[in-house]
Amino acid sequence: EAGVTQFPSHSVIEKGQTVTLRCDPISGHDNLYWYRRVMGKEIKFLLHFVKESKQDESGMPNNRFLAERTGGTYSTLKVQPAELEDSGVYFCASSPDRIEQYFGPGTRLTVT
Amino acid sequence: AQKVTQAQTEISVVEKEDVTLDCVYETRDTTYYLFWYKQPPSGELVFLIRRNSFDEQNEISGRYSWNFQKSTSSFNFTITASQVVDSAVYFCAWSGSSNTGKLIFGQGTTLQVKP
Repeated sequence: EAGVTQFPSHSVIEKGQTVTLRCDPISGHDNLYWYRRVMGKEIKFLLHFVKESKQDESGMPNNRFLAERTGGTYSTLKVQPAELEDSGVYFCASSPDRIEQYFGPGTRLTVT
Repeated sequence: AQKVTQAQTEISVVEKEDVTLDCVYETRDTTYYLFWYKQPPSGELVFLIRRNSFDEQNEISGRYSWNFQKSTSSFNFTITASQVVDSAVYFCAWSGSSNTGKLIFGQGTTLQVKP
């Protein structure tokens, strides 16, 4: 069974540019989560999808972040325009039951 | 509000030493889950263990063991006879049964095991 995959693994962009991160969950997992870890700090929850619906987006930092999950399959997280403080590692996780979460390898975003 | 605290930012030990990583949590929920994840240098988050709030039995898995004590709201993780491959960042996390399943993480403890 394929695990959670994320693309790209690493992205370097300039301040003001746009970046789109992608997450492919484990097939059949209705729940999809985004988290991020800013340098040296804890991993923080961003949002939760159930199928294509946003269940909880309380962790989204501001309106420069837009997450979608078209068709309830893969998800994208767009940052537009990117700021320096957006640098960090963005993790995606999927879950069949909201208890066991399977994490992807993360996308390291560097904004210069 | 729920909170997870890992007071140890960095720990350095010599191979074969035992090491305990502390985790303290705060919650008013009666039903919840506690987790430990490992983040090796390669970056991915590796699931180590999940405990629910009704199961205070300690668990041992090889060189790893976990001590869950509700009386002190702690869920500590011990590595016995540490090895260089244990070097990683370790995260403790909490999840409530009544919420969406989102994990609340501690700040992480960086463990360095020197040969």
